[in-house]
Amino acid sequence: EDQVTQSPEALRLQEGESSSLNCSYTVSGLRGLFWYRQDPGKGPEFLFTLYSAGEEKEKERLKATLTKKESFLHITAPKPEDSATYLCAVATGANSKLTFGKGITLSVRP
Amino acid sequence: ETGVTQTPRHLVMGMTNKKSLKCEQHLGHNAMYWYKQSAKKPLELMFVYSLEERVENNSVPSRFSPECPNSSHLFLHLHTLQPEDSALYLCASSQRDRVGDTQYFGPGTRLTVL
Repeated sequence: EDQVTQSPEALRLQEGESSSLNCSYTVSGLRGLFWYRQDPGKGPEFLFTLYSAGEEKEKERLKATLTKKESFLHITAPKPEDSATYLCAVATGANSKLTFGKGITLSVRP
Repeated sequence: ETGVTQTPRHLVMGMTNKKSLKCEQHLGHNAMYWYKQSAKKPLELMFVYSLEERVENNSVPSRFSPECPNSSHLFLHLHTLQPEDSALYLCASSQRDRVGDTQYFGPGTRLTVL
């Protein structure tokens, strides 16, 4: 059974304090790993897709990396508007079924 | 309208009511999905429609009934729900013949069952 574990469950940072969010996975046949951002009461917003170990993608203050067992979402000099829940999901199988982690709630204090 | 839209955004219903959730995607995709999101739990996939055919049903109780009349519209018909069905219901769409098959989500319907 595919499993996705995100840690920590919650993270509180001071504005400008860089950190990383972790997503570890156990799957058979990874077709892609996805990061989403979700604000309270809203749907997940797509951030990145990573396909193979060693791949990296960046967008503004966010950088996602992938190894064979885990992915990191690095946040450089975060701002209060980066506060949200960050979801990790893996796609497996011929139907690219998504399995989600529980998410990491990030709070950035000004 | 752009992206994926859902109506209504909020719904309160009694256990004996019948209601429907509507989803519309404006991305030209060929697959649509229903997810359930409960507090402190990962998103749970409920149904998948690909080219208007249901290709996945993850042991969802029969009180939830999906309908996909065309590739742009998806409905979730609700009847005799239970209080534990209260959750955020999310619709998503993707293009299944593209590598990576990224799913794009709507804003969700917050459902409360009294």
